[in-house]
Order: sequence, then structure tokens, then C-alpha cells
Amino acid sequence: EAEVAQSPRYKITEKSQAVAFWCDPISGHATLYWYRQILGQGPELLVQFQDESVVDDSQLPKDRFSAERLKGVDSTLKIQPAELGDSAMYLCASSPRPSRNTEAFFGQGTRLTVV
Amino acid sequence: GDSVTQMEGPVTLSEEAFLTINCTYTATGYPSLFWYVQYPGEGLQLLLKATKADDKGSNKGFEATYRKETTSFHLEKGSVQVSDSAVYFCALTPTGNQFYFGTGTSLTVIP
Repeated sequence: EAEVAQSPRYKITEKSQAVAFWCDPISGHATLYWYRQILGQGPELLVQFQDESVVDDSQLPKDRFSAERLKGVDSTLKIQPAELGDSAMYLCASSPRPSRNTEAFFGQGTRLTVV
Repeated sequence: GDSVTQMEGPVTLSEEAFLTINCTYTATGYPSLFWYVQYPGEGLQLLLKATKADDKGSNKGFEATYRKETTSFHLEKGSVQVSDSAVYFCALTPTGNQFYFGTGTSLTVIP
């Protein structure tokens, strides 16, 4: 069964350091999402790609976060510099095309701890 | 704007008890509705979905019916098992272009 792949699963980094997460969506999925999930809360959208284009990054803290999906396939989310408040689970999801009949498929996430 | 409201947890039940987790939504138009489940340290997995009013989604003994008149999508299971212990998220998408999640309801089932 096809899955969304994320790495690393866990990351511990020091405050002010740079950190990057990688996501490989299900093959053929044009839409890719990055969500942040703070412990005890629901996922919140950071950025959404349609193919290689950003369609929504309104909630992405652009002073420190960046995301790219250069060839419209895999994607990288970067934080520089990391802050203590960035500790969270970062979830990648994908879907074939925007359709109200299709769910988002999630990866296992990257648990980030900033110390 | 579009949003989902879930009953707050945590919920603790004995094995074989009946489960209901309430979910109501606010949306323009006719959204699709979902229940996702998250096991500790894992990502979200789709549990069930419904794409139009009066549809019933079902999977693994869980059911939810899309009620437009009450803007609700309550999750039910007749007899829970220890393995059902997880966090459950209600979600909606108005157009498929954006997903909105509730805050999650933690369920613990004790033997």
C-alpha cells in the first residue's frame, strides 16, 4: 500500500540551530500539505502545494520557516533559527487533486524537540 | 469561517462499552466530513468519511452519519476494544482544497 514517507521520525535540535524535514508523497499526488500539530491539539496547516506551486502559506511564519517542492514531487520544510516554541509534530499529507470526495493521506510525522 | 468542534476529552471507557464522540461543524456550502484516528507517536489515519448529507461512513465497527440539519457528524461504536485507544479527530473540507481539523478527543479503553 502506498504511503507518505517522512524523515526523520524524531529530531532534537538546539535553539537557534537550523533544522529540515523531508516528505515524499504518494506517487501521483499533486497536492502536498505540511501541518504542525502541537501536543494535545489538532493539525494546523502551514503550507499547501499544488504540484510545485505554493497555493496557501498564509499561516507559515516566513521569517523563520521555508518550504519548497522544486519538481512537484518531494518537499522540504526548513526552520532557521529554531525556537523553543517550534517543538511539535510536523505532519506531511498528500492527496491526488483538490476534490471534496478525497481525503488527505498522512505520513507518520517528524517529532521535533527544541532544547 | 469553516471550523469543526469536537467534544473535549479525555474519554475513558470499559471494554465493550458504547462510544459516542460528538462533532459539529460550521461551513459554507456542502463540505465532506471525515474522522481520523491517531495512535501514539503516529500520523493520522483515515477512519471513515461521508461526502453528502445523510451518508453514513463506516469502518472497523465505527459509524458516523452526516446530518446537515444539525450540522453534526458524531462518531459511534457499539463495543469498544482496548485497541481502540487513540486520539480521534473530526475534520471537514469544503472543496477538497483545505482541511479543517478539530482539537481531537483522546479515548482510553480499559480492560
